[in-house]
This record gives sequence, structure tokens and C-alpha cells, in this order.
Amino acid sequence: EIVLTQSPATLSLSPGQRALLSCRASQSVRSQLAWYQQKPGQAPRLLIYDASNRATGIPTRFSGSGSGTDFRLTISSLEPEDFAVYYCQQRSDWVFTFGPGTKVEIK
Amino acid sequence: QVQLQESGPGLVKPSETLSLTCSVSAGAIGTNTYYWGWIRQPPGKGLEWIGSIHGSGSTYYNPSLKSRVIISVDTSQNQFSLKLNSVTAADTAVYYCARRLPRIGEPGGNHFDPWGLGILVTVSS
Repeated sequence: EIVLTQSPATLSLSPGQRALLSCRASQSVRSQLAWYQQKPGQAPRLLIYDASNRATGIPTRFSGSGSGTDFRLTISSLEPEDFAVYYCQQRSDWVFTFGPGTKVEIK
Repeated sequence: QVQLQESGPGLVKPSETLSLTCSVSAGAIGTNTYYWGWIRQPPGKGLEWIGSIHGSGSTYYNPSLKSRVIISVDTSQNQFSLKLNSVTAADTAVYYCARRLPRIGEPGGNHFDPWGLGILVTVSS
């Protein structure tokens, strides 16, 4: 089973700042990695799939990059509604795994 | 626009079976173009995939839960269901259903979109 590790666990930033979130896989997942945003009391929302493709309706300030084992989610300029928890996810060998999440909080 | 909604008991006793249903709008299950999945999230913790099913009934499960899980589909009702037996307090979680993308036969990595709102199931006597 592929294990996903996310860093940092918590990111304290102010609105308008740039957020850089990392996801590392224990083995190569090629470019088959997705990112989700989850706000309290809500279901996760798909942001990015296949490492760098924005899902429908996702603002352009969200971008994804990486391949193999190292991936990054960038939020270019944080809006108040972006403070949330972010998860990465992969599927390999018929098993889906999620990372433990990065919480982006207001500084 | 596909919508999903979970339903079922919010309280299950230890050692009993948790049963949930996911209702899918717009007859999407019957098209057989997607897989569908169950994912859960214990309070304050991360996400755990439980298993996935195709409209034909083909399934695959998380190895860590496989011995206790059955996922089934009823295309006539546009629903798929989850049964998790021998539950303990560790199975207390919000349970989500979701559509797996991309369509069958399309390239790319698998991901989930959209998701249902989720249903909290508490295991307690």
C-alpha cells in the first residue's frame, strides 16, 4: 500500500499570502494524484486531479504540480474562504489512500 | 449535475451491522460508466476509503476492512449500499459516498467527485 505524507501539518498564514503544501508518496504514483479541500462540517471538495488539472469551478489561484513521489499544491493568494484542511489522494493496485492532511489556518 | 445523498441509522450497537444507502440522482448508476465509492472519516481525523462498486456489481475493497464489508448496487433504485459488520467504537465516523472519476475507459488517475454531504454514524450501546 502506498503511504502519502503531507507537510506541514499546519500552515499559519494571513490572507493574501502564498500557501505551499507538500504531499510525498512512498512509491511513484506517476501523475495520478488528487487534492481535496475540506471545511468544518462539509464534505471534501475536489480541487486538483492528475497532479495539475483543476476541477470544474476551481479558481485559478489553486495550482498543482509534481510527479512520481513529490507533489505540491499552491494557493497563490489566500482568500478568507481558503482556510481549511487539504488532503492528497492516490490510487494504486486497486487501493485508494489519503494523506493525513494539512490545515491552513489564519495567522 | 449528479448529486449523492447518504441515508441510514445514525446509531448502531457494538457487534451489530452498520447499513447505509447512497441515493444517486439522474439515473447515473444505470449508465455503467462510473464506479462509485464509500469513504469514512472518524471525528477529528482523516479520510479512509472503504470500497468501490460498478453498476454491474463489480467491487473492490480496502484490504484493512475487506473481511467486514459488503457493497452492493441496485440500479433500478439508483442506489448503492454499504454493510459493515461486527462494528466497534472505532467505526464511529462520518460516512461519505462519492462518484469515482474518470469514466471507465478514460485515462488518468482515479479520484472522487462529487461527494454526498455525509452521515454521522455512532457505534454505542
